Amino acid sequence: AQTVTQSQPEMSVQEAETVTLSCTYDTSESNYYLFWYKQPPSRQMILVIRQEAYKQQNATENRFSVNFQKAAKSFSLKISDSQLGDTAMYFCAFMITGANSKLTFGKGITLSVRP
Amino acid sequence: DVKVTQSSRYLVKRTGEKVFLECVQDMDHENMFWYRQDPGLGLRLIYFSYDVKMKEKGDIPEGYSVSREKKERFSLILESASTNQTSMYLCASRPYSTTNYGYTFGSGTRLTVV
Repeated sequence: AQTVTQSQPEMSVQEAETVTLSCTYDTSESNYYLFWYKQPPSRQMILVIRQEAYKQQNATENRFSVNFQKAAKSFSLKISDSQLGDTAMYFCAFMITGANSKLTFGKGITLSVRP
Repeated sequence: DVKVTQSSRYLVKRTGEKVFLECVQDMDHENMFWYRQDPGLGLRLIYFSYDVKMKEKGDIPEGYSVSREKKERFSLILESASTNQTSMYLCASRPYSTTNYGYTFGSGTRLTVV
């Protein structure tokens, strides 16, 4: 079974600064995907970034980037130039490859961006 | 714009009632999922379905059942609601694909059982 661990329940960051959210996972699979999802107060889950395990290069989406350490089973999210709209819950998630695969989520972290 | 629609945003039910949570998607996705979201516990999978009339238990199926009579609709059923089922319920779908791993989520139903 796969597990995803987010050990920090909440974090706070000043607007325009950089923050890193931590995530570790455990699996015996070799082919999988990792995700970060954002859930703002509207509740709508939004995909922030995705990483394929077979890719060594870290994924980047505008201000969001990941540090993927496969051997350490670590997948952290870095948010640069934090904005007030980044205030949300963030979930780390894991999925093995396969047509019927399903997401396994961590417990989430509440990020607050201070003006 | 593709959508997953959950019929109710907020729902209040009494203990012992039979409760139906409805989810409809318009993307012709084969896979559909029901998750429960609780503070400090994240999202936990209740049931999923990969085809019409097919279902599989997730991590926390006790107290729940599901129905998928049509491809676009996946219903979560609480046979006899209890207060410990007060929670946020999220529906999601994704295609049967080994290249497209994107989930589309509904906006959630916050259920309170009194």
